[in-house]
Amino acid sequence: QVQLQESGPGLVKPSQTLSLTCTVSGGSISSGTYYWSWIRQPAGKGLEWIGRIYTSGSTNYNPSLKSRVTISVDTSKNQFSLKLSSVTAADTAVYYCARGRGQQLGSGYYYSYMDVWGKGTTVTVSS
Amino acid sequence: SYELTQPPSVSVSPGQTASITCSGDKLGDKYACWYQRKTGQSPVLVIYQGTKRPSGIPERFSGSNSGNTATLTISGTQAMDEADYYCQAWDSSTAAVVFGGGTKLTVL
Repeated sequence: QVQLQESGPGLVKPSQTLSLTCTVSGGSISSGTYYWSWIRQPAGKGLEWIGRIYTSGSTNYNPSLKSRVTISVDTSKNQFSLKLSSVTAADTAVYYCARGRGQQLGSGYYYSYMDVWGKGTTVTVSS
Repeated sequence: SYELTQPPSVSVSPGQTASITCSGDKLGDKYACWYQRKTGQSPVLVIYQGTKRPSGIPERFSGSNSGNTATLTISGTQAMDEADYYCQAWDSSTAAVVFGGGTKLTVL
């Protein structure tokens, strides 16, 4: 059974770059037609999607974060990573990584969902 | 940008049916999914492709979608179902995943 585990610093200074890694265990990150995603949740607020990557390297990002986000994948290590630059206190949140699937429908619409999530890691932005 | 709207809270008595709605433009065509997030835990997928249940999810969870609304229904609600529920869909115009604001389900 595939499991995901987030890792990285729990405290980041304002204006610096937040870096997190998600390690995939129990299966190969390259198997199947999955994508690998980052999501966050500030305290008391809802879920916010950050972006996703396929093992081909293809990425999609939340338009509101796109200018500051980079997601990359290292298939040799079975990991994918998040970098969020120029962080502020507003970036303080629990960060989750997740596995997703998507499919194009005959109608032209596309649907996606995320079926395996990591436990999440808390990142605080503070000096 | 695409928006999904959920009621902030829904209350239900144990054993009764809870319905949580999610509205968005042409959402019925987008096959929304639903996540359950209990306090201190990571989200769990409970419905995908509009109406399908992942393995391990109790049959009391069901999904429907039509027009501009997707609905998560929990039949015979139990105390363990108390959680925040989020709908999610794909916004083709921005190529991005979009979440609803979340609904806090209280089992009184």
